[in-house]
Amino acid sequence: SQTIHQWPATLVQPVGSPLSLECTVEGTSNPNLYWYRQAAGRGLQLLFYSVGIGQISSEVPQNLSASRPQDRQFILSSKKLLLSDSGFYLCAWSLSGAKGLINEQFFGPGTRLTVL
Amino acid sequence: AQSVAQPEDQVNVAEGNPLTVKCTYSVSGNPYLFWYVQYPNRGLQFLLKYITGDNLVKGSYGFEAEFNKSQTSFHLKKPSALVSDSALYFCAVRTNSGNTPLVFGKGTRLSVIA
Repeated sequence: SQTIHQWPATLVQPVGSPLSLECTVEGTSNPNLYWYRQAAGRGLQLLFYSVGIGQISSEVPQNLSASRPQDRQFILSSKKLLLSDSGFYLCAWSLSGAKGLINEQFFGPGTRLTVL
Repeated sequence: AQSVAQPEDQVNVAEGNPLTVKCTYSVSGNPYLFWYVQYPNRGLQFLLKYITGDNLVKGSYGFEAEFNKSQTSFHLKKPSALVSDSALYFCAVRTNSGNTPLVFGKGTRLSVIA
């Protein structure tokens, strides 16, 4: 069966510090991968998604970046955090191609980031 | 372009009563519709989906949803609400390509009162 891991679970960082959040998926190959941010327990904002190694689509221009160094690894980074980067960060995966059309996305447990 | 609307920010229902969480969608092709639930400080959990076939879809935890093409709706329902159903519910849609992300609604907070 497939599993998705995110770490850390919680993170408190000062303004201006760097960020690295990691997401890994087990039990599947060539998944589509996604990073979302959720502010104040409300809607999901899609940040990045990737359909393959080194392929990143950015949905929102901001001081965050994403990388996919391996097939099942997705990393969210920032060089300098802002107060507005605080939120709940969710990683998700789905099957790719035709199977991806009719199948759901599976979400990780999330990382709660607080920027002070 | 695809879009999903959840017109209610908050739904309150008494325990034991039926519940409905509303969702309408707008797509250019055939819609593939999904419902998720999120408990506090947790990731989203998949509840059910409509791909094709019967308009009434049954999912986890006794939830069901009805696809209505003429009204472009996919409302989530449960015959008898439980206090443990209190959570944030998201409707989502995808069409056109398996490599594009789901488009999510803004969420509806359900409170079931004992």
